[in-house]
Amino acid sequence: EIVMTQSPAILSVSPGERASLSCRASQTVNNKLAWYQQKPGQAPRLLIYGASNRATGIPARFSGSGSGPEFTLTISSLQSEDFAVYYCQQYNNWPRTFGQGTKVEIK
Amino acid sequence: EVQVVESGGGLVQPGGSLRLSCVGSGFTFSGYWMSWVRQAPGKGLEWVANIKEDGSEKNYLDSVRGRFIISRDNGKDSLYVEMSSLRVEDTAVYYCARGTGWLDPWGQGTLVTVSS
Repeated sequence: EIVMTQSPAILSVSPGERASLSCRASQTVNNKLAWYQQKPGQAPRLLIYGASNRATGIPARFSGSGSGPEFTLTISSLQSEDFAVYYCQQYNNWPRTFGQGTKVEIK
Repeated sequence: EVQVVESGGGLVQPGGSLRLSCVGSGFTFSGYWMSWVRQAPGKGLEWVANIKEDGSEKNYLDSVRGRFIISRDNGKDSLYVEMSSLRVEDTAVYYCARGTGWLDPWGQGTLVTVSS
């Protein structure tokens, strides 16, 4: 099983600032990496697939990068609606596995 | 609008059974793999099972293999998971989602509580 490790666990950011979230896989996932956003009481929402492709309707301030085992989700200028928990997920191997999440909170 | 909607959650005793359902709309259901993902209270996401477009291939999380059975009825645009021998640790919100790689969209989830 591929273990996905996200850091930091909690990221405190002021509105308008840039946020960078990291995700590391225990082995290569060949860019088969997705990012999701989850707000309290809501289902996860797909943000990024294929490590760097924005899903339909996702604002351009969200971007994904990285390859091999190391990936980054960047939010260029945090808006109030972006404070949430973010998960990465690999889909290169079975079972599909998620990181433990990074909570982005208001500083 | 592309969406999936789950139903069937509830309170069940340890060792009991429950069947969850998910209906898809706004897309050609028979053209997509479908998945179940769960989230224990206050915890992260855990992929549970998925099923190929025609039902010919299924994959399970090790801890549910032999207890959960995923199935689909493309004529009804529906996905199911039959859960048996339920354990306290199966308590979670269960999400239905379209896809087998990246998952999109997700349903709102249905809560399964396993408790005596």
